[in-house]
Amino acid sequence: EVQLLESGGGLAQPGGSLRLSCVASGFTFDTYAMSWVRQAPGKGLEWVSVISASGRTTYYADSVKGRFTISRDNSNSRLYLQMDSLRADDAAVYYCAREAPLIPPTYPGEWGQGIVVAVSS
Amino acid sequence: FLLTQPHSVSESPGKTVTISCTRSSGSIVLNYVQWYQQRPGSAPTTIIYQDDHRPSGVPDRFSGSIDTSSNSASLTISGLKTEDEADYYCQSYDANSVVFGGGTKLTVL
Repeated sequence: EVQLLESGGGLAQPGGSLRLSCVASGFTFDTYAMSWVRQAPGKGLEWVSVISASGRTTYYADSVKGRFTISRDNSNSRLYLQMDSLRADDAAVYYCAREAPLIPPTYPGEWGQGIVVAVSS
Repeated sequence: FLLTQPHSVSESPGKTVTISCTRSSGSIVLNYVQWYQQRPGSAPTTIIYQDDHRPSGVPDRFSGSIDTSSNSASLTISGLKTEDEADYYCQSYDANSVVFGGGTKLTVL
């Protein structure tokens, strides 16, 4: 069974930083691209970023480009999202997702339960 | 490109409902379309992938299709049940980005 468990969320100040982590199990982590998707309160799903299976290729939404960095540790089956220069509109539930077994970007197939990020002074 | 969905739809139990997803530019067949179901307070789950494929465990009451004439994808749910009440999102992608539709709230009343 595929399991994705996010951690690292919480409250950050505007301009501050947070690092989200997602530990994966139930599949061969280093053969799948991985992504982050977020959902602001009462809003729809918004794609954030995707990273290839090797970690060599990354893509970002324009809204986070230059502020967020996606990375992965294949030896420990972990996905990360470093979020810097946080803004109020970054507040959301952040979902870790396993991508389809295709060259990214494509689509999330399996989803974690999500982690809350709040941004406020 | 954008994916446009109706904001909300409603239908009675046992009936059939179709939710559309229109691609604003570029052909709808250029990249696969997926559909996700999100019940209140829960994470999304995949109900249709690669236009018309169902993951194991998804009932065959759910089906996906593509209409090139309207450059749109559709999700059809037949034999509606109250448990189908949820938000539904379409999704597709291009060479370097992923796009979600705005979501459709399905009410089964």
